[in-house]
Amino acid sequence: ETGVTQTPRHLVMGMTNKKSLKCEQHLGHNAMYWYKQSAKKPLELMFVYNFKEQTENNSVPSRFSPECPNSSHLFLHLHTLQPEDSALYLCASSQGAAGLVPGANVLTFGAGSRLTVL
Amino acid sequence: AQKVTQAQTEISVVEKEDVTLDCVYETRDTTYYLFWYKQPPSGELVFLIRRNSFDEQNEISGRYSWNFQKSTSSFNFTITASQVVDSAVYFCALTSGGSYIPTFGRGTSLIVHP
Repeated sequence: ETGVTQTPRHLVMGMTNKKSLKCEQHLGHNAMYWYKQSAKKPLELMFVYNFKEQTENNSVPSRFSPECPNSSHLFLHLHTLQPEDSALYLCASSQGAAGLVPGANVLTFGAGSRLTVL
Repeated sequence: AQKVTQAQTEISVVEKEDVTLDCVYETRDTTYYLFWYKQPPSGELVFLIRRNSFDEQNEISGRYSWNFQKSTSSFNFTITASQVVDSAVYFCALTSGGSYIPTFGRGTSLIVHP
């Protein structure tokens, strides 16, 4: 499969559940990103990993826990979420810091995981 | 600090109209990159174009054109003869200072009516 694949595409969970979102890329990219997109709000950067190391944590609540076991896979573990966490969670990848010109990196996005917290 | 402003939250046009999406950026760096992405209803952001700060040439790709003006710190996007399939949210983004992590604008939702 090419591109960035996110699973599940839709998830409904209760506030006491524990679930995980998965992101996978086979583009040979070294950086992976989690973004949150809520209705009527801008894209919010949550986490960035470069070569499996977390390089950015944008003051995200601890109920969101990222995991990056290798450069191709990224997870977002969810527990005791709130209804206001309902949103579209987008994963992206890019060459990251290893690119010839890092600032020129183009991000490739997945289709997102639509999360609803009841 | 860097910032991207897309002042237009939503634009509604009728098919075949021309439409311009505005993007104003702020950065103290002399080397930077500007991007446009399209997010159709399916959710996935798709890359459209990238420009670097040293190349102010405007670009045309089919019905799409981009006007980069350093004097006004703007990188505007024009769709000529819009079509219903152009309906999407369009994001402008900026990287600068050697960072590979982009700063996105809030996005402009374009609705093209038949």
